[in-house]
Amino acid sequence: NAGVTQTPKFQVLKTGQSMTLQCAQDMNHNSMYWYRQDPGMGLRLIYYSASEGTTDKGEVPNGYNVSRLNKREFSLRLESAAPSQTSVYFCASSSLGGNQPQHFGDGTRLSIL
Amino acid sequence: QKEVEQNSGPLSVPEGAIASLNCTYSDRGSQSFFWYRQYSGKSPELIMFIYSNGDKEDGRFTAQLNKASQYVSLLIRDSQPSDSATYLCAVIGRTGFQKLVFGTGTRLLVSP
Repeated sequence: NAGVTQTPKFQVLKTGQSMTLQCAQDMNHNSMYWYRQDPGMGLRLIYYSASEGTTDKGEVPNGYNVSRLNKREFSLRLESAAPSQTSVYFCASSSLGGNQPQHFGDGTRLSIL
Repeated sequence: QKEVEQNSGPLSVPEGAIASLNCTYSDRGSQSFFWYRQYSGKSPELIMFIYSNGDKEDGRFTAQLNKASQYVSLLIRDSQPSDSATYLCAVIGRTGFQKLVFGTGTRLLVSP
């Protein structure tokens, strides 16, 4: 059982390049999330999708776009990468409703030069 | 004031001791509370969740919640070197959707 799968695991970009981070879950979860984790800042929510067909902004959405492709897949796009977007990106998923715990993928380590 | 606060540590305990990790939160209407463990370079792993006041035990782990005082704690009994990691406290507030707010984590070091 793979759980939440993120690709790629590592990526180096130049300033201004674009990139899409992919996330897929096989737990039949309705809700999916994108976080970034920076030293001293903790995990911060970028975007989330409560259910297929819906997406909403989180705490730090500027510079990012998302697509909920289907129930399994939720992608994060950087249209014009900036050094400030150097971070570790985590995708998570959970069942819908109530106070369901979230389960995380292994992360993507992204460096913007 | 941060929404979820944790002492960054490190908290150092000898092997076999009880490790006590604490977390305070600012939103009095918070509904759910989670503890995640994160090894260096790895992703957060869910350890415990608690919704009601009191204690919840799972093996060597006990989560304690006191909504009146707005704190949640995690006790690790018989600590092992393999427990050395950063422990993240996360809270779902009253926003109506399960948006987790994370603390910055407490680093735990268990020495043999």
